[in-house]
Parts: sequence; C-alpha cells; structure tokens
Amino acid sequence: AQKVTQAQTEISVVEKEDVTLDCVYETRDTTYYLFWYKQPPSGELVFLIRRNSFDEQNEISGRYSWNFQKSTSSFNFTITASQVVDSAVYFCASARSGAGSYQLTFGKGTKLSVIP
Amino acid sequence: DGGITQSPKYLFRKEGQNVTLSCEQNLNHDAMYWYRQDPGQGLRLIYYSQIVNDFQKGDIAEGYSVSREKKESFPLTVTSAQKNPTAFYLCASSPTAARDTQYFGPGTRLTVL
Repeated sequence: AQKVTQAQTEISVVEKEDVTLDCVYETRDTTYYLFWYKQPPSGELVFLIRRNSFDEQNEISGRYSWNFQKSTSSFNFTITASQVVDSAVYFCASARSGAGSYQLTFGKGTKLSVIP
Repeated sequence: DGGITQSPKYLFRKEGQNVTLSCEQNLNHDAMYWYRQDPGQGLRLIYYSQIVNDFQKGDIAEGYSVSREKKESFPLTVTSAQKNPTAFYLCASSPTAARDTQYFGPGTRLTVL
C-alpha cells in the first residue's frame, strides 16, 4: 500500500519569504508518479507538477521548485518569494497501480498562509 | 472552454434521502474519478471509471453508487446507507486511466441535515 505523509499541517510566512513544503512517500512499486496539487479557498484542485520515479532531476517553474530525492523518499516543494496568492492548501500525492489503472494516494495537505 | 463541471456547488439534503451529484467533462477523457474530502484530510477515492459502462470501487465505496453511460458524464449517488455523507466531493478526469495526470472539477459541498 502506498502512503504519503505531509508532516506540516499549517505554515505561516510573511510575504516575500521562501517556504518549503515537505512530502515523504512510501511505495513498493518500482515505477510510480508523484504529484503536487494546490487547493485555493475556492476548493478546486489545481495541478502543479507530475514527476516520474525514474527522473530525479529537480524542476523549476517560475517561483516554484521541486526537489525529488529517492534516497530519502521525499518530494519537497519550495516557493520562492512567496505572495499572498500562494495562500492555499497544498497536497502531495502518489500514483499507485491497481486493477489496470493508476489511482492517487493523497497526503493530508499543508495549509500555507502568506501574510502581507 | 474545456473543463470539468460539477453541479451544484452547495447541496443540502435531509438525512435518509438519496442525492445525486453531477460531473460532466468536455475534455474527451476516458477516465473519471470521484473523491471525498473531509476537513483536514486528504482526498479519498470513492469510485473510478476507465471507460464507458465500466467502473470500479475505490477505497471508500460503501454507501455510494455511480454510473457511466456516457463518456462525458459520471454521476455519483450518495445513498442513505452512507453513514457520514456530509463532505466535499471532487470529480476528476484523465486522458486514460494509465499514468495520466488527473484534472479536477470545482467540487460540490454536500451537507446532510
């Protein structure tokens, strides 16, 4: 069974500070995918990134960056120079195989509050 | 615009009543999913469908039912057998069921009085 742990329940930062959201995963699959989603107050989950287990390269997209380390089973997410619009709940998820399809296992989320 | 729609945004029902939540997508995706989210919790999979006229139970299917008669529609019925139906329900779809990114609708918040 897969498991995703987001140990940080809530984080508050002042605008323009950098912040890192932690994600630790457990899986027995040799091939798997990891995801980050953002859930703003409106409720809709917004896809941010997908990472294949074979690709450990870090990725940067604007102010967002992701650090994938198989050795520590972690897939951490950093926001640089945070903004108020970054305030949301962020979910890390892994895709597990089952009955011919891939199903997502979500962590419990980290609520980020960016204070102006 | 292409996307996933869920209606209504808020839904209130009396205890003991069945209620059906709508999910429609015009992305031409084969696979569709239903998740439940409780306060302070991650999403849990209720049902998923890889193709029309086929669906499988997820982790918490008891008290729920679905149908997939059309590619673009995947309605979820919350039955009276569901003991704690009050929750936020999210529908998602992906191009196929295999290793594809899932995209989510805006959700329906169900409150049972």
